[in-house]
Amino acid sequence: EVQLVESGGGLVQPGRSLRLSCAASGFTFDDYAMHWVRQAPGKGLEWVSGITWNSDTIGYADSVKGRFTISRDNAKNSLYLQMNSLRAEDTALYYCAKGTGDYGDPTDYWGQGTLVTVSS
Amino acid sequence: EIVLTQSPDFQSVTPKEKVTITCRASQSIGSRLHWYQQKPDQSPKLLIKYASQSISGVPSRFSGSGSGTDFTLTINSLEAEDAATYYCHQSSGFQYTFGQGTKLEIK
Repeated sequence: EVQLVESGGGLVQPGRSLRLSCAASGFTFDDYAMHWVRQAPGKGLEWVSGITWNSDTIGYADSVKGRFTISRDNAKNSLYLQMNSLRAEDTALYYCAKGTGDYGDPTDYWGQGTLVTVSS
Repeated sequence: EIVLTQSPDFQSVTPKEKVTITCRASQSIGSRLHWYQQKPDQSPKLLIKYASQSISGVPSRFSGSGSGTDFTLTINSLEAEDAATYYCHQSSGFQYTFGQGTKLEIK
């Protein structure tokens, strides 16, 4: 059974940093691209970032480019999102999502999310 | 960044009705358009991939069509359990994006 468990969320002040983690199990992690998607309270889905299985292709939404960094450790079956210079508008539930294959394919499994609140 | 615009934003429908949701892309994305369903307090669920490909375990009343810039999700014979928000999502290029969502209310 595919499982994705996000962690690392919490309350953080504007301008500070936070690192999210996603622990994956139930599938061969290094066979798939992985993504982060967020959802602000009461709002729609926003794709944040994606990474290929071997980290050679990475993409970011314009809203986070230059502030967020996605990475993965295939030996640990883990995905990460380093978030710097956080803003109030980054407040959201952050989901880790598994791709169905390579970069360019959709996602098929999602975690339950970790909540990030940016506020002073 | 490719913008996806869904129509309508909200629809109130009765059971057994046929529902059509459209999604228009700001530039051609071929068939790299996918549909998700999200129920309250749940993670999104993949319904249709690559515009029209069905997903195992998804009821056959859900279908998709389109290519290029115009896409459609059709729900035949709506059931009460289909109350949810539906999102289109594109995976063309390095930046993925989602539509703003269509909320379906069952009368």
